Amino acid sequence: ELKVEQNPLFLSMQEGKNYTIYCNYSTTSDRLYWYRQDPGKSLESLFVLLSNGAVKQEGRLMASLDTKARLSTLHITAAVHDLSATYFCAVNFGNEKLTFGTGTRLTIIP
Amino acid sequence: GAGVSQSPSNKVTEKGKDVELRCDPISGHTALYWYRQSLGQGLEFLIYFQGNSAPDKSGLPSDRFSAERTGGSVSTLTIQRTQQEDSAVYLCASTPMRAGALGETQYFGPGTRLLVL
Repeated sequence: ELKVEQNPLFLSMQEGKNYTIYCNYSTTSDRLYWYRQDPGKSLESLFVLLSNGAVKQEGRLMASLDTKARLSTLHITAAVHDLSATYFCAVNFGNEKLTFGTGTRLTIIP
Repeated sequence: GAGVSQSPSNKVTEKGKDVELRCDPISGHTALYWYRQSLGQGLEFLIYFQGNSAPDKSGLPSDRFSAERTGGSVSTLTIQRTQQEDSAVYLCASTPMRAGALGETQYFGPGTRLLVL
């Protein structure tokens, strides 16, 4: 079965702190995506990771991919309030469609 | 340029009625996807179009659901005899699917929020 698991499901963090969201998937893939969703809004593409060891950074967010471990991480550095959102990882298992994780609802507390 | 657009943005219907949801992908994008987002099921794939053909319809939950795409552009998702469990946000996405370019991200539209009473 093709599965994508994220943890944690919910995350409250204080401003200025660092944290990591984890995304595990069930079988081989080298196409992993991170999206952000604000309440009542659609999905915004954050990162595309296409090879083992890929690392992408944008502002306070950094994503990495370990295809051998079937693991991607989204690291948040020195969190600020406007990073509050739900973050999804999604995997293309070679069948063109995306299989999504459950999402991590991130709340940044002042 | 313009992103993926969907209409209507919200739809309230009575159980048993048919509904049509529309998606206009980004101009030139050959691949188009429909997903459904609901509280209980998260984000689920429904159907994928490459051009006007649908190589993968595996996510359509029942034969009440159908979709078509015309002219390699606009797509319509039709739900017949709606049920309360069809209530969800229906998201459309597109991607260029350029030859030899693997892994391009999917660009999502704003979604249609469907409520079946």
